[in-house]
Amino acid sequence: GEDVEQSLFLSVREGDSSVINCTYTDSSSTYLYWYKQEPGAGLQLLTYIFSNMDMKQDQRLTVLLNKKDKHLSLRIADTQTGDSAIYFCAESNAGKSTFGDGTTLTVKP
Amino acid sequence: EAGVAQSPRYKIIEKRQSVAFWCNPISGHATLYWYQQILGQGPKLLIQFQNNGVVDDSQLPKDRFSAERLKGVDSTLKIQPAKLEDSAVYLCASSRDGRNQPQHFGDGTRLSIL
Repeated sequence: GEDVEQSLFLSVREGDSSVINCTYTDSSSTYLYWYKQEPGAGLQLLTYIFSNMDMKQDQRLTVLLNKKDKHLSLRIADTQTGDSAIYFCAESNAGKSTFGDGTTLTVKP
Repeated sequence: EAGVAQSPRYKIIEKRQSVAFWCNPISGHATLYWYQQILGQGPKLLIQFQNNGVVDDSQLPKDRFSAERLKGVDSTLKIQPAKLEDSAVYLCASSRDGRNQPQHFGDGTRLSIL
């Protein structure tokens, strides 16, 4: 079946850029999503990219998609302590989403 | 726009007891999802509804889990009897039409089985 892989942890200093990576297996994926989960809360949609795009920028967030390698990344510019959370990558095909196990981002002051 | 509402936020029960969770999706969203999120993992789909019909329940343990979405709005998910491995957060999500529209999540119900 479909699989989504992410590294488990990332630690950065406040003000630095963070890059969270994700790989997926379903070549039929039409949308790829990034969600943020803070403690005790559900998943908050951050941004998404259509599979025929290779880049999308939204304020501090930049999504890069390499469809050939099935690799997705999320770059957070000027990372703040409030960005500390778990970030989930998800691929979607025909309305069904498969999620990775999340990357825990820790931002140190 | 009000978000996805779930209740209760927390539930503690003993194994073999039953439990029910409730979800109210965003108004106008036709598609509703129930996910199970075990600690340290991403959400895993249990069941997907389109209006009041089931689209996908292939991962729902039907010997103990059931779900319904009467009238195509609110939904309930029930576990009977509960097992220790059912300890997890149960997330409800909704999307406008299920055709690759983004899913919007509630805050979940944290279930602990003793």
